[in-house]
Amino acid sequence: GAGVSQSPSNKVTEKGKDVELRCDPISGHTALYWYRQRLGQGLEFLIYFQGNSAPDKSGLPSDRFSAERTGESVSTLTIQRTQQEDSAVYLCASSLEGTSGIEQYFGPGTRLTVT
Amino acid sequence: RKEVEQDPGPFNVPEGATVAFNCTYSNSASQSFFWYRQDCRKEPKLLMSVYSSGNEDGRFTAQLNRASQYISLLIRDSKLSDSATYLCVGSTSYGKLTFGQGTILTVHP
Repeated sequence: GAGVSQSPSNKVTEKGKDVELRCDPISGHTALYWYRQRLGQGLEFLIYFQGNSAPDKSGLPSDRFSAERTGESVSTLTIQRTQQEDSAVYLCASSLEGTSGIEQYFGPGTRLTVT
Repeated sequence: RKEVEQDPGPFNVPEGATVAFNCTYSNSASQSFFWYRQDCRKEPKLLMSVYSSGNEDGRFTAQLNRASQYISLLIRDSKLSDSATYLCVGSTSYGKLTFGQGTILTVHP
């Protein structure tokens, strides 16, 4: 079946512009996670959605970052007034439920370059 | 101190070699642990879960020691296709994953 999809695959933007990244989770997966991976680094947790519960935003690095998810469907991650340090690969993952031990399936990521 | 720490390597080994990766974690609240594999410019994919009793999947063996907060991965009879970055990962009660920096493995002919 279809995996997690993300769009765009690559995004180049000028410093100060806003960008919106999209994630389509696997159908039926209630939990959705966003991570960021800077060049040569491990993944950093950004935000977690579980069904209609309040999201865990504890990983968002600043108030320029926000994310939304409608029900158990698509999620968008928005970065306002982008900075060069925002350059990274943004990865979305989904799982059947938000429980420890359940496999997360990752999308191919959006490679963001801020010039 | 990072929550999950790994030796970044790189490890360069010949085909057929046995290689071991180690990882330590500092968050005692982490409930589950995994090894993920990430190929160059690709997304991470689950390699295997890690249990205190130890678990084996073909040429791969993983072990968790909760007392010393230590995780290991052993790869036997290395193949060229094993070349990748191996990520040590801890998970909270709701599935938030904390990743180590990754260990780079290159298997050469």
